[in-house]
Amino acid sequence: AAGVIQSPRHLIKEKRETATLKCYPIPRHDTVYWYQQGPGQDPQFLISFYEKMQSDKGSIPDRFSAQQFSDYHSELNMSSLELGDSALYFCASKKADMNTEAFFGQGTRLTVV
Amino acid sequence: AQTVTQSQPEMSVQEAETVTLSCTYDTSESDYYLFWYKQPPSRQMILVIRQEAYKQQNATENRFSVNFQKAAKSFSLKISDSQLGDAAMYFCAYSPMYTGANSKLTFGKGITLSVRP
Repeated sequence: AAGVIQSPRHLIKEKRETATLKCYPIPRHDTVYWYQQGPGQDPQFLISFYEKMQSDKGSIPDRFSAQQFSDYHSELNMSSLELGDSALYFCASKKADMNTEAFFGQGTRLTVV
Repeated sequence: AQTVTQSQPEMSVQEAETVTLSCTYDTSESDYYLFWYKQPPSRQMILVIRQEAYKQQNATENRFSVNFQKAAKSFSLKISDSQLGDAAMYFCAYSPMYTGANSKLTFGKGITLSVRP
């Protein structure tokens, strides 16, 4: 069965650079969630989208932006990267009208040097 | 706002023995879901078990079972016949009702489980 695909799996950037993380949800899933997990930390909710509109917002820095496209994939754009942005970024997807949990991708490991 | 608390940072269990991981939560909602996720060294988030708050019966998945105490807002995970592959970080998580787009997860701080051979 198709799973949530995240790319790239690993990314190394320098301070003040920009990064774009991509998430391809399971087919027919219309909702995407982004989470950030720092080293030794629990995942923190950043932002979610439903039918290409932002549906909820968590502790996402102003330097970050995200969107969901017409094919339901989502991109998380991160600018002016800081060392503290080094983390594992998870995407999860679900179909909003179905009584199931969201399914996680394998994550993108971002290292800022 | 909902909160999830895992007060034990680490636990250890002998292979083949049973271990219980604790979790408490706080919410003003009456309908919600609770989860236990496993995160091995690969750091993939793996769903272990889920519990619907409206169900009185505790969820069970093979060697994994929960003790859900709604009034006490307690949600513990019992792992029976522990195996070496159970060694991982375990997160307790809360979610509002599934349907709709606003069912984000709130996680506890996690507990590192080690299994002794």
